Order: sequence, then structure tokens, then C-alpha cells
Amino acid sequence: DQQVKQNSPSLSVQEGRISILNCDYTNSMFDYFLWYKKYPAEGPTFLISISSIKDKNEDGRFTVFLNKSAKHLSLHIVPSQPGDSAVYFCAASVRGGSRLTFGEGTQLTVNP
Amino acid sequence: NAGVTQTPKFRVLKTGQSMTLLCAQDMNHEYMYWYRQDPGMGLRLIHYSVGEGTTAKGEVPDGYNVSRLKKQNFLLGLESAAPSQTSVYFCASSRGARGEQYFGPGTRLTVT
Repeated sequence: DQQVKQNSPSLSVQEGRISILNCDYTNSMFDYFLWYKKYPAEGPTFLISISSIKDKNEDGRFTVFLNKSAKHLSLHIVPSQPGDSAVYFCAASVRGGSRLTFGEGTQLTVNP
Repeated sequence: NAGVTQTPKFRVLKTGQSMTLLCAQDMNHEYMYWYRQDPGMGLRLIHYSVGEGTTAKGEVPDGYNVSRLKKQNFLLGLESAAPSQTSVYFCASSRGARGEQYFGPGTRLTVT
């Protein structure tokens, strides 16, 4: 039972354009969501998070949107840069919990 | 600060052999986690610890044991390795139950 799902294994965009990575979840108890970025042969690094009391959170070029009714979140990267090429994981945790449930990941490639 | 370090980086085991993976963090974090990453499956939680001397099962705990004798260290043991345990193992730590988890660089384990 995959509670957090990233349906696109890969995404390719041009430098300077917007990248939109999507994530769906099924567990209505999730109330905290995070995005991690992972380069090859390295551990994931935290990118941005959002609590269920918000529907948007911005940090520089990165914005996360949360649609609770659709159980859907997305990560927007604007403008995309070649250094953004990595695997992006979304993750979620339930209220009061520290355990993260991860999606399968999406490989983003930003072409110069 | 080194952050989260993992030892070893690579290891090849024969079926039935045992080994211990060491995770160390120098951020004085209370929470520590062990994940495994397999192709197309994202990261799955094996065991975690909410403080020195405590451990708890995650999503895929079978075949693994853990110990947290010191706050800064979290050990993952495989008593009798199986080919299904071939994976990349990541350790992570966090200050509290919420907030970002900091990941180590990973250990690539192959069981033949």
C-alpha cells in the first residue's frame, strides 16, 4: 500500500523554465509534508516543507503547494537551473509523528 | 561539523554473514533513523530511535536489529544477510519529532 505516490519517474525541462513535480497521498492523517533532493552517491537533503494548515510555502525559487481536498502536493521550481537536476522525493508524516513516508522519487533533468 | 556520517561506504557480504553498519551524528539530535532505498521504491524506514537507549520498528524491520547505546550513534545489524537485503542504506537524524531529517551519504550493501 503506497501511501505517498509520485507518478512521474522522470521529468525533463529547459533551463529557465518552470519545473513542476507532483505527489499524491492517500493517508488523511498526514499533516506535514516535505520535499528532499538527492544527487547520485549522496544522501537526500531537505528542500522545503509545508504544514497542513497552509496551502503554500515559498523559499526562493522553490514553492510547495498543498491541496488537501485532492490529497495532492506539488513542488514548483522557477527558474529551473542545470544544478537542479537530481531525484526529488516527497515525504509525509502523521500528526505528532516523526516517521516519514516517502514517495518513489522523480528524476528531474534540466537541460541547458 | 561533519553532520551525519556512515561507516562503511561499501560492503559485499555472502549470504548468511553478519555485519553492523555504524551511523554517527555530531548535531546532538535526539532522533535517529535507518532507511533502505531500493530502485523504484523510494526510502523505507527500517528502525528508528527517539532518544538514547530507545529503539522502535519502522516499516520494514524484519532481518535487522538496532542499538542506540550512545546518543550520537545508531547501529544497524544484519545477523544473517540475505540477497533481499541488497540495497543502499541511509541513516538520518533530527532534532525533534518534526522538522527536517539530516541524512548521511549512504552505505551500498551487496549480498551475494
